[in-house]
Amino acid sequence: EAQVTQNPRYLITVTGKKLTVTCSQNMNHEYMSWYRQDPGLGLRQIYYSMNVEVTDKGDVPEGYKVSRKEKRNFPLILESPSPNQTSLYFCASWEIMSSTEAFFGQGTRLTVV
Amino acid sequence: TQLLEQSPQFLSIQEGENLTVYCNSSSVFSSLQWYRQEPGEGPVLLVTVVTGGEVKKLKRLTFQFGDARKDSSLHITAAQTGDTGLYLCADQAGTALIFGKGTTLSVSS
Repeated sequence: EAQVTQNPRYLITVTGKKLTVTCSQNMNHEYMSWYRQDPGLGLRQIYYSMNVEVTDKGDVPEGYKVSRKEKRNFPLILESPSPNQTSLYFCASWEIMSSTEAFFGQGTRLTVV
Repeated sequence: TQLLEQSPQFLSIQEGENLTVYCNSSSVFSSLQWYRQEPGEGPVLLVTVVTGGEVKKLKRLTFQFGDARKDSSLHITAAQTGDTGLYLCADQAGTALIFGKGTTLSVSS
């Protein structure tokens, strides 16, 4: 079954405590991306990766890091989380061609207190 | 920067009613996609349309793409409670996937 798996689904943490949200896909997609979803702001892209060792900033990259050491994995790292990073996060992957379907993980609801 | 505007923002209807939601782009779509997102889940693709004037049907859902490829509508006939969710339009162009803010649909029995 085609799948994008994120962990954890829910996370409550304190300001400044480093955390990692994992993302893995089983479809051999080259392209992976992280989004955050906030009320009234919709889905906004944080970072994306076109292939192993190739990553780039999206629209809202401040406070986040990513890495792409293997094709299937694309973790999102918050080195020093702050309350304004409280959000719903989604990982997605798709083939790099037009009109292709994007597959999303189930989301990670992060609360930073 | 391309902007996708969706309307209405919220829609609350009774089971059995018909409804239409809209998506307008500030520039021509590369490849228009509609996604549905249920509470607690990620978006799931409903349809991709590429050709101006195209109409696609998916059971009770009808998707129309404007001739100029800058607008689209989604019509649901005889809505069911299972149609409840957030409907998102998006422009997919290879490495870019840009979303509108969505229409939140609530269908009550």
